[in-house]
Amino acid sequence: EPEVTQTPSHQVTQMGQEVILRCVPISNHLYFYWYRQILGQKVEFLVSFYNNEISEKSEIFDDQFSVERPDGSNFTLKIRSTKLEDSAMYFCASSGPTGQGYYEQYFGPGTRLTVT
Amino acid sequence: RKEVEQDPGPFNVPEGATVAFNCTYSNSASQSFFWYRQDCRKEPKLLMSVYSSGNEDGRFTAQLNRASQYISLLIRDSKLSDSATYLCVVNRGGRGGKLIFGQGTELSVKP
Repeated sequence: EPEVTQTPSHQVTQMGQEVILRCVPISNHLYFYWYRQILGQKVEFLVSFYNNEISEKSEIFDDQFSVERPDGSNFTLKIRSTKLEDSAMYFCASSGPTGQGYYEQYFGPGTRLTVT
Repeated sequence: RKEVEQDPGPFNVPEGATVAFNCTYSNSASQSFFWYRQDCRKEPKLLMSVYSSGNEDGRFTAQLNRASQYISLLIRDSKLSDSATYLCVVNRGGRGGKLIFGQGTELSVKP
């Protein structure tokens, strides 16, 4: 069964450093997303991406964040200068149509980002 | 008011019990609805999409009431492996739209 993959599974970085989180969406999906979940809190939307551009972004997704699809398979999230409050689990998701015409989102296993 | 609200839980039930989760959403423009399950420190996994008149998948039944902006999930004959957090999720934006998650309801099934 096709699945979304993410690397690394765990990233530890110092405050102020840049990090790049990587994702390989399901191959025939066209919509890609990043979400995050701070420990003990609900899953929050960050950004959606379609046709090589951002479709929608949340208030969290400020100028420190960027996304890119550098080739036909990878989808990346970059945080330019990490803050302590960026510590969270970051989930990549992708979506495609079902037989009933719905678009269902499937999530990768996540990258746990720890900023020290 | 939160956009998606769920029973806070936790629900502790014996194996074989029937358990129901409720969820309300505040934005009437919401277009599609889902239940995901999340195991501790893992990714959300899609359990069911909730279709307009409700749908069933084995032991799981989901219902949608658009007039009341209410979604439910019923689990029959619960198994130990059903222990997880159940997330009520709403999509406002159609095919590429963002998902809005509820806080989740924790279920613990005991032998």
